[in-house]
Amino acid sequence: AQRVTQPEKLLSVFKGAPVELKCNYSYSGSPELFWYVQYSRQRLQLLLRHISRESIKGFTADLNKGETSFHLKKPFAQEEDSAMYYCALTAGNQFYFGTGTSLTVIP
Amino acid sequence: EPEVTQTPSHQVTQMGQEVILRCVPISNHLYFYWYRQILGQKVEFLVSFYNNEISEKSEIFDDQFSVERPDGSNFTLKIRSTKLEDSAMYFCASSAQGAYQPQHFGDGTRLSIL
Repeated sequence: AQRVTQPEKLLSVFKGAPVELKCNYSYSGSPELFWYVQYSRQRLQLLLRHISRESIKGFTADLNKGETSFHLKKPFAQEEDSAMYYCALTAGNQFYFGTGTSLTVIP
Repeated sequence: EPEVTQTPSHQVTQMGQEVILRCVPISNHLYFYWYRQILGQKVEFLVSFYNNEISEKSEIFDDQFSVERPDGSNFTLKIRSTKLEDSAMYFCASSAQGAYQPQHFGDGTRLSIL
C-alpha cells in the first residue's frame, strides 16, 4: 500500500512566489512525518518534522489528520530552494518515502 | 559537524558476484538504516538495525541481503549474488535514538551491476 503520495513530480515557481509541495499519507495510527531535502550534489538531509512544529529556511508544514496531508509551504520562494523534496513517514521502525518533488525556482 | 560516510562512492560488479557496501555511522548514534533508490524512483527502506540485530526489514530485504556491524564503527550491507535489478543508489543513515528521531544520511554508494 502506498503510504506517502507526492502528486507532483516537478514544480516550478518564480522567485518570490509562494510555493506548496503536496504530501498525502495513508496510515491508521499516529504517524510521524518528515520533509527531507536533497540539494544538487548534496546528501539527503532533514528539513523539518511535524512534531517540532518549527520553521526551517522559511518552510513550514502542518499535519492535517482530517485530510491526511502534510504539505510543505513557503510564502516567498528563493532560488536556493531549488532541490528535490521528499515527504516521509515512520510506521513502527519502518520508513516510507514519497516519490519526491523536484522544485525549480525561476529567477 | 559529524557525518555518515559511505564507501565506495561507486561500485561496479558482475552479476552473480557478492558485494559489500560500507558505512560509518555517526559515532554516538545507535540506530542504523539502509535504503536504496533505483534510478528515477523513490527512496525505499531496506532495513533498520539496533543493538546488533535487525529491528525491522522490508520485503525487498530478502535472503540475498544481510547487514553486519563487524566492529564499533562500520555498518555493512552485503548482497550475496547480485542481480541486474540490484543496480541502484544505496544510502546508509543513522539516528541517535529510535524511529522518531531525525536520520542523518550518507552520500550514498552507486551500485552498478553488469
